[in-house]
Amino acid sequence: EAGVAQSPRYKIIEKRQSVAFWCNPISGHATLYWYQQILGQGPKLLIQFQNNGVVDDSQLPKDRFSAERLKGVDSTLKIQPAKLEDSAVYLCASRRAGQNYGYTFGSGTRLTVV
Amino acid sequence: SQQGEEDPQALSIQEGENATMNCSYKTSINNLQWYRQNSGRGLVHLILIRSNEREKHSGRLRVTLDTSKKSSSLLITASRAADTASYFCATVLRSNDYKLSFGAGTTVTVRA
Repeated sequence: EAGVAQSPRYKIIEKRQSVAFWCNPISGHATLYWYQQILGQGPKLLIQFQNNGVVDDSQLPKDRFSAERLKGVDSTLKIQPAKLEDSAVYLCASRRAGQNYGYTFGSGTRLTVV
Repeated sequence: SQQGEEDPQALSIQEGENATMNCSYKTSINNLQWYRQNSGRGLVHLILIRSNEREKHSGRLRVTLDTSKKSSSLLITASRAADTASYFCATVLRSNDYKLSFGAGTTVTVRA
C-alpha cells in the first residue's frame, strides 16, 4: 500500500509569515494525526481527526495554528503568523481501525522560521 | 508533558553487539509501542505490546513490558550499521481515543 504523503518536504519562511502543510493518509485510514517534533525531542501531538471530525486539539495553539480535514481524506495544517519557536518537523500519521495497529508516519515537513 | 522517558539518551555500540534501551512511563496504559526514526525521516513502527503481554519478538527485536514497574525495554540483537537511528517508546493510555504519547528517544550509533 502507498504510504502517508506529505508536502512540502522543506520550507523556510520569515517570522510573521504564513505557511501550510499538506498530508494525504493511507487510503481507508479513518484516523489522522499531526505531530510537531522539535529538534532533539519526541513528537508532540497537535491534533487528531477521526474522519473529518476533530477528536483532540487540546495541544494546538489555536491563536496561530489551524487544521482541517475536509471530506475525511487529506488534511492541511496552517500556521499564521509563524514564530521562531515554530521551527520543527511537522509529522502526519494515520492509523487503521483496531487495537493492534501502530501509526504510519509520513516523512514530515521540516519548517525553519528565520 | 511526555508520558514516556527513555534511558539512556544516547548509546554507541560496535557492530554485532546487542543494544538495550529502556522506557519508563507514569500512568496505566492500554499498549506501548516502539518506533525508529532515521535522521531526517519519519518514524517507523517497530512493535506493539499490549498491557496484558510481557514479551514480544520481531526478528532481531525483543520487547519486554513490566506493568508493575511501569517500564519497558527494547533489545536489538546482533546490531548492524543500518540500526543507527533514534528509538522512541510511545504509550496509548486508553483504547477509545488511541493517542500516542512519545518520550524523548534514545539515539543509537552502531560503529562498523
